[in-house]
Amino acid sequence: DAGITQSPRHKVTETGTPVTLRCHQTENHRYMYWYRQDPGHGLRLIHYSYGVKDTDKGEVSDGYSVSRSKTEDFLLTLESATSSQTSVYFCAISDLGRGEGPQHFGDGTRLSIL
Amino acid sequence: SQQGEEDPQALSIQEGENATMNCSYKTSINNLQWYRQNSGRGLVHLILIRSNEREKHSGRLRVTLDTSKKSSSLLITASRAADTASYFCATDGRRDDKIIFGKGTRLHILP
Repeated sequence: DAGITQSPRHKVTETGTPVTLRCHQTENHRYMYWYRQDPGHGLRLIHYSYGVKDTDKGEVSDGYSVSRSKTEDFLLTLESATSSQTSVYFCAISDLGRGEGPQHFGDGTRLSIL
Repeated sequence: SQQGEEDPQALSIQEGENATMNCSYKTSINNLQWYRQNSGRGLVHLILIRSNEREKHSGRLRVTLDTSKKSSSLLITASRAADTASYFCATDGRRDDKIIFGKGTRLHILP
């Protein structure tokens, strides 16, 4: 399995609080992705990174920000959490962009916003 | 959007039978990928097929791609209980580094 770790694995928090999820990789892959998975919607891209300090928006980026200050870490921040952001969040990594290679996924973070 | 659409949404078959899932997409692609997700886990990459390929095999998996119909199929032969999972297709964005996932097919293998 690719060396990819998400933390925390579970989190419950209140509406309006900031939340940061961390994705850590040991594969030195260039590309990192944050997705959310909700029933009926499949997997939707929030933000992705194509290098250190290089990020771009995905399909559902409103209310989220990301940072990548070093190759191995990609942080996802919910600036002011809302109940609609209750979801399972997955991080993925890839050494190739443009869909040229596989993405390797972490086991997810289950986030509940009360 | 180039999002793939899997069909059927859910499929139940007896152990030992073959399972076929289909994926349709809207615009031309360079590559199409299939992934599996077991309950409570992250997605696992199964196979990547390029637009100039028509068929690809990996163990009990067979993937076909018909670019003229903008569709792909995933065949799992001689299914096992461990194949119970959700299966997703994903297409590339051609102009950027994203891939777009479909909503998946839930496969249940009956003992």
